[in-house]
Amino acid sequence: DVKVTQSSRYLVKRTGEKVFLECVQDMDHENMFWYRQDPGLGLRLIYFSYDVKMKEKGDIPEGYSVSREKKERFSLILESASTNQTSMYLCASSLGAGTSEDTQYFGPGTRLTVL
Amino acid sequence: QKEVEQDPGPLSVPEGAIVSLNCTYSNSAFQYFMWYRQYSRKGPELLMYTYSSGNKEDGRFTAQVDKSSKYISLFIRDSQPSDSATYLCAMRANTGNQFYFGTGTSLTVIP
Repeated sequence: DVKVTQSSRYLVKRTGEKVFLECVQDMDHENMFWYRQDPGLGLRLIYFSYDVKMKEKGDIPEGYSVSREKKERFSLILESASTNQTSMYLCASSLGAGTSEDTQYFGPGTRLTVL
Repeated sequence: QKEVEQDPGPLSVPEGAIVSLNCTYSNSAFQYFMWYRQYSRKGPELLMYTYSSGNKEDGRFTAQVDKSSKYISLFIRDSQPSDSATYLCAMRANTGNQFYFGTGTSLTVIP
């Protein structure tokens, strides 16, 4: 079974703090994704990575950056947390484009509250 | 217009009912279709995966794709209280890395 783990289930931070969210997958997947999920808005893609050190902006990258130094690990960084970044953050991984069985597998999520 | 539209509900049904969940989409390039189930405060888990048009059955769940109408459905037979969750549809094209999600339908099955 694919396993995607996230470093924290719940996180409380103060405005202006730098926040690191980590995600690890154990199935040698090429692609990794960070989403945020808000009521009524669904899943919104922040960034994704299709290879080590490669990244692409999603729909809402402003205020976020990412790092992928190793294939299994994808980090989301909030450079200076703001209250409007309070949300559920979901990491996902997938095999990669061109494979017929390319589906996304999600981690348990990190509920981040910025005060 | 969003690429994927899904009625958010909420949907409330009695135990044992047949549930029908639906999504419509606009991009004719979508070839792969997925349904995810998400329990409260948890990550989505993959429920069903189908390719192109047709039906796929797995236990009490049936996924149906009608590419000509750009319409996909998930049917749940003999619904159980444990089916209470949010159901998200997702899809992707044959090329590219991105997946496109509906906003999710909240389902409650009442014992």
